[in-house]
Amino acid sequence: GQQLNQSPQSMFIQEGEDVSMNCTSSSIFNTWLWYKQDPGEGPVLLIALYKAGELTSNGRLTAQFGITRKDSFLNISASIPSDVGIYFCAGQRNDMRFGAGTRLTVKP
Amino acid sequence: NAGVMQNPRHLVRRRGQEARLRCSPMKGHSHVYWYRQLPEEGLKFMVYLQKENIIDESGMPKERFSAEFPKEGPSILRIQQVVRGDSAAYFCASSPGRYTGELFFGEGSRLTVL
Repeated sequence: GQQLNQSPQSMFIQEGEDVSMNCTSSSIFNTWLWYKQDPGEGPVLLIALYKAGELTSNGRLTAQFGITRKDSFLNISASIPSDVGIYFCAGQRNDMRFGAGTRLTVKP
Repeated sequence: NAGVMQNPRHLVRRRGQEARLRCSPMKGHSHVYWYRQLPEEGLKFMVYLQKENIIDESGMPKERFSAEFPKEGPSILRIQQVVRGDSAAYFCASSPGRYTGELFFGEGSRLTVL
């Protein structure tokens, strides 16, 4: 099946630092999505990318759809305590598969 | 609340009992997906249903697990004869079409098997 490799698994950063995480796959996807999951909640969409090479921003978040269509990254600038949570990448082609998540901890 | 509604939020069962998890998709959405999340892990696809049809159940265990999405009423994920390994959070998501862009997730049902 389509395997998504998401890294890093976890990050411990200081408030104000920038964060970068990525997802790679051996398969090509038509859409890349990034979700955030707060403790005890369901995932919520942050950014959706629909074209290879696309770079999209949403506030302090920036994500890119890799030119090979096999990877994507998510950057968070100037992190704040409420950025804490689990970030999932998802690749969509005939179905949607999720990465294992990046667990972000932000120390004030 | 127009979002995806899941209930119960928390369910405790003893080994051998049955668990029924319900999901009402967003208004206007006829495509429902179930995912399982073990503690400290990601989301694992289980089954994808459209009204009255199972489209893809490749992620669902062959035994004890079943899912339905009747013409009227919510989608139901049913786990028979639960075992401790079934303890997990079960998330439902919906979309207006087949994997069209964003999947909207519910808040999950957390099953604990004693």
